[in-house]
Amino acid sequence: AQSVTQLDSQVPVFEEAPVELRCNYSSSVSVYLFWYVQYPNQGLQLLLKYLSGSTLVESINGFEAEFNKSQTSFHLRKPSVHISDTAEYFCAVSEGYKLSFGAGTTVTVRA
Amino acid sequence: EAQVTQNPRYLITVTGKKLTVTCSQNMNHEYMSWYRQDPGLGLRQIYYSMNVEVTDKGDVPEGYKVSRKEKRNFPLILESPSPNQTSLYFCASSPRRARETQYFGPGTRLLVL
Repeated sequence: AQSVTQLDSQVPVFEEAPVELRCNYSSSVSVYLFWYVQYPNQGLQLLLKYLSGSTLVESINGFEAEFNKSQTSFHLRKPSVHISDTAEYFCAVSEGYKLSFGAGTTVTVRA
Repeated sequence: EAQVTQNPRYLITVTGKKLTVTCSQNMNHEYMSWYRQDPGLGLRQIYYSMNVEVTDKGDVPEGYKVSRKEKRNFPLILESPSPNQTSLYFCASSPRRARETQYFGPGTRLLVL
């Protein structure tokens, strides 16, 4: 069975500063990893995903995540955040037909 | 426009009164699923469906039922709601599997008194 742990529940950050959101997973088999973002009062949308191949994956809006199999981690980073990045971020792992999410990390970007 | 719709968006009900939350997608997706979102717990999968007439339990199925009689619809049924089912519910769909991009509905906020 898989589980997902997001190590930070709240991350306050100043505009243009870097941010890292930590995610660890446990699974007994090969997994597929995701980051979803939820903007205030909206549903979730995919930010990026790792299925196979290069361990570094990037999104179109400047986020990147690195799959580390030995540490069972999939941390999300952005070198310079904007006010518009204020949202809740969820790490997720897929195994078979099931999808498990972490508890979420709320990122608040301040000017 | 490709989308997942849920109805109602907001619902207040009383303990024991049966209710149904509808979910519909217009993308011809085979995989559909229901989640509940609670503060500090993230999203937890309630049920999922791989195709018409094929459903299975997620991590928190107790107190819920689902059916998949048509490809586009996947209703969530609470036969006898209780206050611990007060939550924000999301429906999602993807072409075939959980490892594909999930398209989420706007959410249904349920309060059980």
